[in-house]
Amino acid sequence: GAGVSQSPRYKVAKRGQDVALRCDPISGHVSLFWYQQALGQGPEFLTYFQNEAQLDKSGLPSDRFFAERPEGSVSTLKIQRTQQEDSAVYLCASSLGVGTYNEQFFGPGTRLTVL
Amino acid sequence: AQTVTQSQPEMSVQEAETVTLSCTYDTSESDYYLFWYKQPPSRQMILVIRQEAYKQQNATENRFSVNFQKAAKSFSLKISDSQLGDAAMYFCAYRSVEIGAGNMLTFGGGTRLMVKP
Repeated sequence: GAGVSQSPRYKVAKRGQDVALRCDPISGHVSLFWYQQALGQGPEFLTYFQNEAQLDKSGLPSDRFFAERPEGSVSTLKIQRTQQEDSAVYLCASSLGVGTYNEQFFGPGTRLTVL
Repeated sequence: AQTVTQSQPEMSVQEAETVTLSCTYDTSESDYYLFWYKQPPSRQMILVIRQEAYKQQNATENRFSVNFQKAAKSFSLKISDSQLGDAAMYFCAYRSVEIGAGNMLTFGGGTRLMVKP
């Protein structure tokens, strides 16, 4: 496929469980972003990668959130000891490069529900 | 830090009519990008239109156009000849052009657009 893909599309976790959310960006895209979208709200920035380097993680809400992109392509967002307030849609986006305008292409998101 | 505000949680329009969605933002930067994204129930964010702040001419994409008022920090979206497929959440977003800013998007809270047949 030519677009950004995310898996799983839906995840239900019991409070306290660890979860891992996967993002496959568009091939060749250098930049990768994670956003968190709470119900009825706009997405909020979590973290940003340029290739394998995590250049900005200022939006991660706590040290329970961890993201990686070890080979500069696929990225995983991990949430440890999930809490109910972690329930949200997690969106991944990729763009070709940095600098002047590069459109961000979004995946369909993973809806996480923490019971 | 930049903020984006959408003051209309919901809007309704009759099919074939025109509707305008409002957005205001706050920034101290002189150059930046502004966007309107559409998010249907499938959750896939789709770019509708973008505006570069240094361009005075308002962007247009087919039935979609913007009214960009830089001094007022206002960026509204006009949808002409509304179609049933336009029904979705619409998000206004801001992106810095400054080096090192990371190019992340700052989103407003969204406006739900309903289209009546």
